[in-house]
Amino acid sequence: GEDVEQSLFLSVREGDSSVINCTYTDSSSTYLYWYKQEPGAGLQLLTYIFSNMDMKQDQRLTVLLNKKDKHLSLRIADTQTGDSAIYFCAVRASGGSYIPTFGRGTSLIVHP
Amino acid sequence: DVKVTQSSRYLVKRTGEKVFLECVQDMDHENMFWYRQDPGLGLRLIYFSYDVKMKEKGDIPEGYSVSREKKERFSLILESASTNQTSMYLCASSSGGAGGYTFGSGTRLTVV
Repeated sequence: GEDVEQSLFLSVREGDSSVINCTYTDSSSTYLYWYKQEPGAGLQLLTYIFSNMDMKQDQRLTVLLNKKDKHLSLRIADTQTGDSAIYFCAVRASGGSYIPTFGRGTSLIVHP
Repeated sequence: DVKVTQSSRYLVKRTGEKVFLECVQDMDHENMFWYRQDPGLGLRLIYFSYDVKMKEKGDIPEGYSVSREKKERFSLILESASTNQTSMYLCASSSGGAGGYTFGSGTRLTVV
């Protein structure tokens, strides 16, 4: 089945850019998502990208997709302390099951 | 603002008790899901439902059951709670299109 990998931790200084990376194995993955989970809360959908796109930008967030390498990244510009959270990558194919495969999450720690 | 509401944020139950976790969504979504989240293990799918009175087992259904009598409500039942069911439980819903899940805030269950 599909496997989604993320590094567990990322530490950045406030004001720097953060880049969170994700790799997946299923080349038929069509929808690719980034979720954010703040402490003690549920997951919140941040953004998503279709497999026919290379890039999507939404304010401070930039998603890059390298379909050949099955690599997805989330860049957060001007990272703030409020961005400290766990970020989950999730992917799913079109049609069939509506269930995405989630990575285990990357804990982003932003320090002053 | 669309919502998935989980009835309790924190719950403490005794071993052997029957436990009900309730989830209600107001988005008229067909699909609803129950996950548990444990440190180091990420999100694991317990049960899901694509329609009223329909249910499907996820990856870890043992010790759980579900009920979906109405479209907006999806209940998770722990028939006889055990300490290894201490966890964060997350409910989610989706329309099945390209958009991802909408998650509830989670219920942190402790079984003593």
